[in-house]
Amino acid sequence: GEDVEQSLFLSVREGDSSVINCTYTDSSSTYLYWYKQEPGAGLQLLTYIFSNMDMKQDQRLTVLLNKKDKHLSLRIADTQTGDSAIYFCAVSSGNTPLVFGKGTRLSVIA
Amino acid sequence: NAGVTQTPKFRVLKTGQSMTLLCAQDMNHEYMYWYRQDPGMGLRLIHYSVGEGTTAKGEVPDGYNVSRLKKQNFLLGLESAAPSQTSVYFCASSTDRLAPLYGYTFGSGTRLTVV
Repeated sequence: GEDVEQSLFLSVREGDSSVINCTYTDSSSTYLYWYKQEPGAGLQLLTYIFSNMDMKQDQRLTVLLNKKDKHLSLRIADTQTGDSAIYFCAVSSGNTPLVFGKGTRLSVIA
Repeated sequence: NAGVTQTPKFRVLKTGQSMTLLCAQDMNHEYMYWYRQDPGMGLRLIHYSVGEGTTAKGEVPDGYNVSRLKKQNFLLGLESAAPSQTSVYFCASSTDRLAPLYGYTFGSGTRLTVV
C-alpha cells in the first residue's frame, strides 16, 4: 500500500521561510493535500495540488510537486508564531481514502 | 453550521469495557471515515463508509466495529477495550469522493484512554 513519509520536527525563526517535505511511494497518487493541526484540535485543510500541476501558490503558501521523485513540499513564507502546529501530508489515487504521513511539528521561535 | 461533531470528547475506560464513539455531520456528506492518531504514527484509517448502510475496513480495523444506519451518523464501537486502543480518534467526512477537491472535514477528536 501507499507509504507517506515526513520528517517529524522543524524549527524556524519568526520571519524566515519554512519548508516541509513529504515523499510518497505510489506513482498513481493523483490528489495531494496539506493539512494543519493546532494543539487539541482537528485537522484543517491548508491547500491541495493535483498530479497535473507542478506548483501551486496561495498567499504565503507554495506547494511544489516533483512527480518523478514522488516528492511534495510546502513552503510557508514569512513564518509567524501562529504557524506553529503539526503539518500533515495526505495523498490518494482517487480510488482509496487519504493516506496520511506521520506529521511534521513546526516550531516557530520568536 | 456545526460541521462534524464527535462525542464524547474525552473518555477513560477500563480494559475489557465497551463503548461507542459517535460522529455526526450536518453537511449532507456521503462518505465518512474514522482515523486514529498516535504519537509518531500520524493518522491511520480504521474504517470508512461510502454511503448509508455501507462500511469498509481501513488499515487498522482489528478490535473495532462500525455502523452507518443513518447518512449523518457514523458510529465506532470498541467491544472489549485494550490499552493498545488508547489514542485520539478523529472522524471525517467528504462529499461523494474518496479524494474530493476540498479534502475531508474533520471533527475535533475524542481522546480515549484505556487503563
